[in-house]
Amino acid sequence: NAGVTQTPKFQVLKTGQSMTLQCAQDMNHNSMYWYRQDPGMGLRLIYYSASEGTTDKGEVPNGYNVSRLNKREFSLRLESAAPSQTSVYFCASNKGQNQETQYFGPGTRLLVL
Amino acid sequence: GNSVTQMEGPVTLSEEAFLTINCTYTATGYPSLFWYVQYPGEGLQLLLKATKADDKGSNKGFEATYRKETTSFHLEKGSVQVSDSAVYFCALSDYNTGKLIFGQGTTLQVKP
Repeated sequence: NAGVTQTPKFQVLKTGQSMTLQCAQDMNHNSMYWYRQDPGMGLRLIYYSASEGTTDKGEVPNGYNVSRLNKREFSLRLESAAPSQTSVYFCASNKGQNQETQYFGPGTRLLVL
Repeated sequence: GNSVTQMEGPVTLSEEAFLTINCTYTATGYPSLFWYVQYPGEGLQLLLKATKADDKGSNKGFEATYRKETTSFHLEKGSVQVSDSAVYFCALSDYNTGKLIFGQGTTLQVKP
């Protein structure tokens, strides 16, 4: 089991460029999540998908879109990157039952110049 | 709304010292509580959890007790090692939605 995988590991973008962060899990989990981690602020939820075919906004959704491609994959898209989106992005997944432990990927470090 | 507050870091200890990292929470309902650990350059890993009042979670020598009366979930370890150097996050799971709400993280540095 690879668990939760993310690509790329690191990316540099110029302001206004677009990119998609990929996430996949092989644990047959129903729910998937995207977080961003900024110094001194912990992790903040951007979007989540409670089950295949559904997506919902989290705490900080502005500037992002998501796609739950199938049960395994959940992508995060930045249509027009801004320096404020410089962060480390983590994908996570769980079975979807309330209060179930979430399992995290290794993260994508994004720098927007 | 729900929130989690952790003690500010960094915390610097000598090997074999006693560790406490404070965590308090505000929540409606009966959330589950978690401690996650992030080693340098890696993602978050679950360290321990507790699902109801007075439960004690434990793992790798770390412990935390779910205290409803003081709305706290402090992390403790009797004797830290250099390999425990990491960032520790306290989190709660919203009772209705299952979404995790994190504290800001506490950096622990253990010196030999």
